[in-house]
Amino acid sequence: GENVEQHPSTLSVQEGDSAVIKCTYSDSASNYFPWYKQELGKGPQLIIDIRSNVGEKKDQRIAVTLNKTAKHFSLHITETQPEDSAVYFCAATPLGIQGAQKLVFGQGTRLTINP
Amino acid sequence: EPEVTQTPSHQVTQMGQEVILRCVPISNHLYFYWYRQILGQKVEFLVSFYNNEISEKSEIFDDQFSVERPDGSNFTLKIRSTKLEDSAMYFCASRTGGPSAQFFGPGTRLTVL
Repeated sequence: GENVEQHPSTLSVQEGDSAVIKCTYSDSASNYFPWYKQELGKGPQLIIDIRSNVGEKKDQRIAVTLNKTAKHFSLHITETQPEDSAVYFCAATPLGIQGAQKLVFGQGTRLTINP
Repeated sequence: EPEVTQTPSHQVTQMGQEVILRCVPISNHLYFYWYRQILGQKVEFLVSFYNNEISEKSEIFDDQFSVERPDGSNFTLKIRSTKLEDSAMYFCASRTGGPSAQFFGPGTRLTVL
């Protein structure tokens, strides 16, 4: 089945700098790749997603890139702020039972923004 | 903004007891999910539910687990006889039809003693 690997497990950056988190997936049929932010004691919150027919998507300070050939996708956060500190999860949706669209998650990256 | 809600936020139970975790998905959503997250680990898929039946389940979702949509708003996860290893955060998620994003609830922390 699908396997998603995420790196790094922890990332510390200075406020205002950029942060990049990378994920690889194994199932070439996966076609949907969301990123979630999880703050302490809360559920995962969708921050951006990308579909396999698109190479890049941007939403203000957040962007995601997808390389289908290499089977990897990345989250880029620019001009980081203290409120960006959280655990970030990537996920992939393997081609499975029609409509089920389960998410397979990476291990998570704990991002710390230092003031 | 509509959101997924879950109750209780924390449930403590004794090994062997039955627990029911409750979720209210977003009202116009059609697909419903349960995931779990053991402390410090990744979020794992348990089950997906559509049109009043399970559409996919993982190896974790054995005979001790069941799901139900008893009315038009609630979606429940039942664990018949809890084990210590069932201790985890359980998240409910929902989405509309077609290719669409999943929205997660705040989770229920289950502690099995």
